[in-house]
Amino acid sequence: KQEVTQIPAALSVPEGENLVLNCSFTDSAIYNLQWFRQDPGKGLTSLLLIQSSQREQTSGRLNASLDKSSGRSTLYIAASQPGDSATYLCAVTGANSKLTFGKGITLSVRP
Amino acid sequence: SAVISQKPSRDICQRGTSLTIQCQVDSQVTMMFWYRQQPGQSLTLIATANQGSEATYESGFVIDKFPISRPNLTFSTLTVSNMSPEDSSIYLCSLRQGGTGELFFGEGSRLTVL
Repeated sequence: KQEVTQIPAALSVPEGENLVLNCSFTDSAIYNLQWFRQDPGKGLTSLLLIQSSQREQTSGRLNASLDKSSGRSTLYIAASQPGDSATYLCAVTGANSKLTFGKGITLSVRP
Repeated sequence: SAVISQKPSRDICQRGTSLTIQCQVDSQVTMMFWYRQQPGQSLTLIATANQGSEATYESGFVIDKFPISRPNLTFSTLTVSNMSPEDSSIYLCSLRQGGTGELFFGEGSRLTVL
């Protein structure tokens, strides 16, 4: 059974800092991995999708990497801003198309 | 990317009543998914809604409690029946884009049961 872990559960950083959010998964037989952002009480916004054959994806200040062999993905946020404050979730789609979510990391960027 | 419209965005309901959540997408999709997110928790899949057939429910979820309709390829509803305070959650519909497999979500329906 796939398990997805995101540690720490919460993170507070000063504005302007570069930061890395971690996601680990137990079964490396994945189809893809996706990072989402969720604002309080809202739905999920897709940030980046990495296919199993890819190593990384970039969008603006965001860069996501994938290391299947070690069961890890990182989301790098450059020059963080208060508007980046949200919960960030990673989700892994297994080879059986089953989707497993992590519990998310709640990020607070202090002005 | 897909545009998913979900309503209501939030509601406060009395115990024992039922509420239907609607999900409209801007493109035709074969499968739509309904998720629940309880306070402070991650997402749990309730069921997969297939057009033209019965929804497929995950373990712990039953049709009598969460009936789902899928009348066409762009629309689905989820009803939360005979609600109790334990049903207070955010309910989200989603779809997976063909080709890339990217998952998209609606804005969520935040339900509070008193």
